[in-house]
Amino acid sequence: GESVGLHLPTLSVQEGDNSIINCAYSNSASDYFIWYKQESGKGPQFIIDIRSNMDKRQGQRVTVLLNKTVKHLSLQIAATQPGDSAVYFCAENTISGSARQLTFGSGTQLTVLP
Amino acid sequence: EPEVTQTPSHQVTQMGQEVILRCVPISNHLYFYWYRQILGQKVEFLVSFYNNEISEKSEIFDDQFSVERPDGSNFTLKIRSTKLEDSAMYFCASSLWEGGTDTQYFGPGTRLTVL
Repeated sequence: GESVGLHLPTLSVQEGDNSIINCAYSNSASDYFIWYKQESGKGPQFIIDIRSNMDKRQGQRVTVLLNKTVKHLSLQIAATQPGDSAVYFCAENTISGSARQLTFGSGTQLTVLP
Repeated sequence: EPEVTQTPSHQVTQMGQEVILRCVPISNHLYFYWYRQILGQKVEFLVSFYNNEISEKSEIFDDQFSVERPDGSNFTLKIRSTKLEDSAMYFCASSLWEGGTDTQYFGPGTRLTVL
């Protein structure tokens, strides 16, 4: 079946370094992708999104790259801070009739070291 | 900044009992969703709701589940006869779906524990 998954379950980075979190997706029909951050005991928090007609989108300290050829997404966090420690999920938005459901990947735990 | 709220934050129930999880979506949003996350696993789609009816539901959302928007602000998920395997975090989300994108904003979740 279709799935969205992450390459690495954990990632540790030094404070101030850049972080790169990767994600593979398999549904070529997906046209919208979202990165969420989930802190312990909280709900997923929207970080940044990208539509399939783009290959790069930048936000504040975050950049999402989309490579449709190899069905790959990445999230880059610049100057990683302790508050960035969380689980990061990529999700694909799949059109199904009039509804849109999110299919989440399994998540990457980012730990920022002092 | 508007946000999705959910109550209760934690619900403990006995197997076979009915539970109702409540959500207040963002006020101008039109699309509403329930997801669940079993401990240590990924977030899974349950159901989407638009214009007072279910738009889509997953295989998880069987006859034991139902959703309702009883008034202009609340959105509820009912589990009629809870099972041990229903223990999970349940997240409500809402979206506006404009500009061809559907950014879903999530609530803090309700932790359901079935004993």
